[in-house]
Amino acid sequence: NAGVTQTPKFRILKIGQSMTLQCTQDMNHNYMYWYRQDPGMGLKLIYYSVGAGITDKGEVPNGYNVSRSTTEDFPLRLELAAPSQTSVYFCASRTGLENTGELFFGEGSRLTVL
Amino acid sequence: AQTVTQSQPEMSVQEAETVTLSCTYDTSESDYYLFWYKQPPSRQMILVIRQEAYKQQNATENRFSVNFQKAAKSFSLKISDSQLGDAAMYFCAYAATNAGKSTFGDGTTLTVKP
Repeated sequence: NAGVTQTPKFRILKIGQSMTLQCTQDMNHNYMYWYRQDPGMGLKLIYYSVGAGITDKGEVPNGYNVSRSTTEDFPLRLELAAPSQTSVYFCASRTGLENTGELFFGEGSRLTVL
Repeated sequence: AQTVTQSQPEMSVQEAETVTLSCTYDTSESDYYLFWYKQPPSRQMILVIRQEAYKQQNATENRFSVNFQKAAKSFSLKISDSQLGDAAMYFCAYAATNAGKSTFGDGTTLTVKP
């Protein structure tokens, strides 16, 4: 059981380039999330989704886009990369049922924008 | 909006001693979950302990226990018999039962001294 898988694990971008961080989960979870974590800081919510076809903004959505066409996949798109987007990005999921609320995390993707 | 506050950016403890990490939160919901996650240098987020708001009994997992004060909106983590492997960043997190967002505090970096 793979859990939550993120790719790539590392990426260097030039200012103005675009890229997509991939996230997939095999636990049939309804809820999926993208967080960013700046050095020494906590997790800030970028976007989240409560099911296929439904997405909503978190605290820091500017400069990012998401889509949720399937239950399994929740890609994060960075358009026109800026140095301020240098961070570690975490994808996470939870069932959405009222049993645990526990988040399951991917291993993170370290993005550097130069 | 829900907020989670960790007022201790850094804490240290002597090996085998006990340490308490503080967390307060703000919510208007009556039904929710609270969590402590551990993030070691590997970056992987690991669930330490979970508390359901409707349960009065404080959660315990081996050397980890919480002091949940619902009226005060306080949720502290006590680590007993601290071990070198406990050194990590610890995050307090909130998740409403019937809402999508999961909110994190800014974290507390715990150092364990031999």
